[in-house]
Amino acid sequence: AQSVSQHNHHVILSEAASLELGCNYSYGGTVNLFWYVQYPGQHLQLLLKYFSGDPLVKGIKGFEAEFIKSKFSFNLRKPSVQWSDTAEYFCAVTPWNSGYALNFGKGTSLLVTP
Amino acid sequence: EAGVAQSPRYKIIEKRQSVAFWCNPISGHATLYWYQQILGQGPKLLIQFQNNGVVDDSQLPKDRFSAERLKGVDSTLKIQPAKLEDSAVYLCASITVAGDTDTQYFGPGTRLTVL
Repeated sequence: AQSVSQHNHHVILSEAASLELGCNYSYGGTVNLFWYVQYPGQHLQLLLKYFSGDPLVKGIKGFEAEFIKSKFSFNLRKPSVQWSDTAEYFCAVTPWNSGYALNFGKGTSLLVTP
Repeated sequence: EAGVAQSPRYKIIEKRQSVAFWCNPISGHATLYWYQQILGQGPKLLIQFQNNGVVDDSQLPKDRFSAERLKGVDSTLKIQPAKLEDSAVYLCASITVAGDTDTQYFGPGTRLTVL
């Protein structure tokens, strides 16, 4: 069965600090990978996704993620966080081209302090 | 483009009562998902529809949960009777047609509290 593991449940950073959130998945085949974000009081929205090609994908608001197939990882990064990045971040995976529902990690709560 | 609509946004009921949630996906989206998100966890699929047919309901507790999408557009999710452990946010998501480049769009969710 698929599983998604997010290493950090709570992260606190100061503004301008760099961010890296870990995500590892367990699945034997080709996968589609996603990072979703949920800002306080808002609905889940897509940050970025990887389906194929360049393993370094860029998303909205300066976020990027790198797919490392050998490590089954899809870590999210941002060079310099802002207070407005305070949110819950979810990594998700689904078998490639399956149309199946997303399998989410437990999420990482990020608090950025001024 | 209008997003995924859900109602109500909040619901408080007592255990053993019944409750229903409604979802209207983005126009033209054939695939619809219901997820359950318990506090501190990521969303978990309950049921997936393709038009008005069920694709996957393997994780739906069928003794108390039911869902339908009769005309292939909006959908309702029902819990009868509710248990304390059903307290969660119920999310609806839709996608054009599930494929390798499609993105699921989520609604705001319905926060259910069972007392």
